Amino acid sequence: DAGITQSPRHKVTETGTPVTLRCHQTENHRYMYWYRQDPGHGLRLIHYSYGVKDTDKGEVSDGYSVSRSKTEDFLLTLESATSSQTSVYFCAIHGQGATEAFFGQGTRLTVV
Amino acid sequence: AQSVTQLDSQVPVFEEAPVELRCNYSSSVSVYLFWYVQYPNQGLQLLLKYLSGSTLVKGINGFEAEFNKSQTSFHLRKPSVHISDTAEYFCAVSDRIQGAQKLVFGQGTRLTINP
Repeated sequence: DAGITQSPRHKVTETGTPVTLRCHQTENHRYMYWYRQDPGHGLRLIHYSYGVKDTDKGEVSDGYSVSRSKTEDFLLTLESATSSQTSVYFCAIHGQGATEAFFGQGTRLTVV
Repeated sequence: AQSVTQLDSQVPVFEEAPVELRCNYSSSVSVYLFWYVQYPNQGLQLLLKYLSGSTLVKGINGFEAEFNKSQTSFHLRKPSVHISDTAEYFCAVSDRIQGAQKLVFGQGTRLTINP
């Protein structure tokens, strides 16, 4: 494994509650990403980070925010969870100049 | 914006048979192509990548893919599959290899190997 830990691995939450997913890396890589995986859609980019406090939106960023206060942690927050955000969320990382992204094990989030 | 189409959502094959998983991408001046594999309840793992040079790319586990610019395709092949190849396979494209690598994925192809 490439030193990526996602937590929690599974979570069930109620509509309207805030949820934070954590991605922790031990590789000191510059770039970190959050994707969501849904049947029929593959993986879609939510947000990404290119350094501490440097983040940008991806393809499906509405309803999500992120923060990166230190190199090793990239947090994804759902301010008010909706059923449409039920998904499997993957974190990915890669270093400067690298062409291979490494993925975490995923977090399965269910919003009821 | 880049897009990727995987033409088959499911591919069943018998063990030791050959397999081809098809992938087409939207045309771009520069394109970098990847195949990832996802085993059940796992994250994604890189199988192979095309950045430049030879259009035939060899990857792990006996897989290979051919970049065809005129047909905007990057099909994945294996001459003889094994039960352990059962997984979901994703084709992905990026329009850059420097800086942030924002991958655009296809819908995925579920490969099922029958004994």
